[in-house]
Amino acid sequence: DGGITQSPKYLFRKEGQNVTLSCEQNLNHDAMYWYRQDPGQGLRLIYYSQIVNDFQKGDIAEGYSVSREKKESFPLTVTSAQKNPTAFYLCASSPPLGGWDSPLHFGNGTRLTVT
Amino acid sequence: GENVEQHPSTLSVQEGDSAVIKCTYSDSASNYFPWYKQELGKRPQLIIDIRSNVGEKKDQRIAVTLNKTAKHFSLHITETQPEDSAVYFCAASHDYKLSFGAGTTVTVRA
Repeated sequence: DGGITQSPKYLFRKEGQNVTLSCEQNLNHDAMYWYRQDPGQGLRLIYYSQIVNDFQKGDIAEGYSVSREKKESFPLTVTSAQKNPTAFYLCASSPPLGGWDSPLHFGNGTRLTVT
Repeated sequence: GENVEQHPSTLSVQEGDSAVIKCTYSDSASNYFPWYKQELGKRPQLIIDIRSNVGEKKDQRIAVTLNKTAKHFSLHITETQPEDSAVYFCAASHDYKLSFGAGTTVTVRA
């Protein structure tokens, strides 16, 4: 359903550990995005990638890293430098490049808890 | 960057009444304005969108209006039903990036 798979659904980590969130899509979409959702703050853009081997920082990239080695995959690493990593993380994709007005398709999200 | 403000943060309506959510944006270059609905524990899903060359768009009980001069757009839901209860997000697109409002929690009372 939806063609975007995020895993795992729930993730628990100790403070100081890096953790990688998986996002895979089979929609043949060029663009992929990572958003963070916190209560009362909407969705904030972390990183986005319009094509393979290229990505740009969003509004809150500090403490995060990404890679885009394959069109289908856009993993997000939450590093120990991220001061407040506990949040709900949403991955999204959109149709081929050139569609500035293309809607986003979201995955089901990963809820990360760091203690 | 783009700044999108959304009001109200919570909205409670009687079933059958209308609901209106308003958003303003800061970047006059923004040209695409989607609305997403997120039910509890689920992913956001697009419910309607509007482009900058259109002033109004309607899809059954849902309508969106855009005022480019004032840089604001609104979502209107008529004849609300219990299944309309959810969090609604507005967004504005600039340079391939979508900036979201903080969301409106809509509760439809039976």
